[in-house]
Amino acid sequence: SAVISQKPSRDICQRGTSLTIQCQVDSQVTMMFWYRQQPGQSLTLIATANQGSEATYESGFVIDKFPISRPNLTFSTLTVSNMSPEDSSIYLCSVTVGGSRTDTQYFGPGTRLTVL
Amino acid sequence: AQSVTQPDIHITVSEGASLELRCNYSYGATPYLFWYVQSPGQGLQLLLKYFSGDTLVQGIKGFEAEFKRSQSSFNLRKPSVHWSDAAEYFCAVGDGSASKIIFGSGTRLSIRP
Repeated sequence: SAVISQKPSRDICQRGTSLTIQCQVDSQVTMMFWYRQQPGQSLTLIATANQGSEATYESGFVIDKFPISRPNLTFSTLTVSNMSPEDSSIYLCSVTVGGSRTDTQYFGPGTRLTVL
Repeated sequence: AQSVTQPDIHITVSEGASLELRCNYSYGATPYLFWYVQSPGQGLQLLLKYFSGDTLVQGIKGFEAEFKRSQSSFNLRKPSVHWSDAAEYFCAVGDGSASKIIFGSGTRLSIRP
C-alpha cells in the first residue's frame, strides 16, 4: 500500500488567483494521478504525471489551466490557475502500487477548494 | 474504452440489514474491477478489487463482491450493515491495469437506525 498526504487540506480562494496543491507519497512510485471531484459528482481524471516527462492530460483539461510538476518519485504538485467558481472541487492525487498484473490505485485525502 | 454504471444514486437500508450495491461495466477483455468507499470529508479507501481467479472477492470491513462475466456485473454486498457504513461507494473499472481507471457515478448509502 501507500500513504499519501496532500497540502492544503482545504482552501478558500478568490477568483483569478492560483493555488498549488502538493502531494507526497511515502514510497517511490512511477505513476501519479490527479483527479477532480466536483460537488456531488464522481471522480474525473485530470492528468497522469510521470517523473522525468511531461504530464499527460485527459480530454477537457489543459496544461495552461492545470500545470503539473513531478520533480521526483515521491512528490507532485497540481496548480489550479486563474480560478473561477467552477473550479470549486475536491482535488485528489493517487498512485499505483504493485506489479503490473496486481497493481492497485491508492488515493490521498483530497484538497477541498472553494473559489469565491 | 471501458465504462461503468452504478444505477442506484441513493440507497437507504436499516442497520443490521443486508446490502447489495449494483455495478455494471463495459469492457472488451477481462476487466480490473474495484470498489472504493468515500466517507464524508474523507479520501477514497479501497474496499476490494478483482483481477482474475475466484469470482467472489472478499474485502475489508466485511464487504464482498462477485464478478459475473455473463452479466457484466460486479455487485458489492454486505450481510449486515452498520451505521458507520454510511458513505459514498464508487465502482471502478481499469483497462487491464489499475493505472487508468474509470469511476462510476457513485451510490450514496444511508443507514436507517
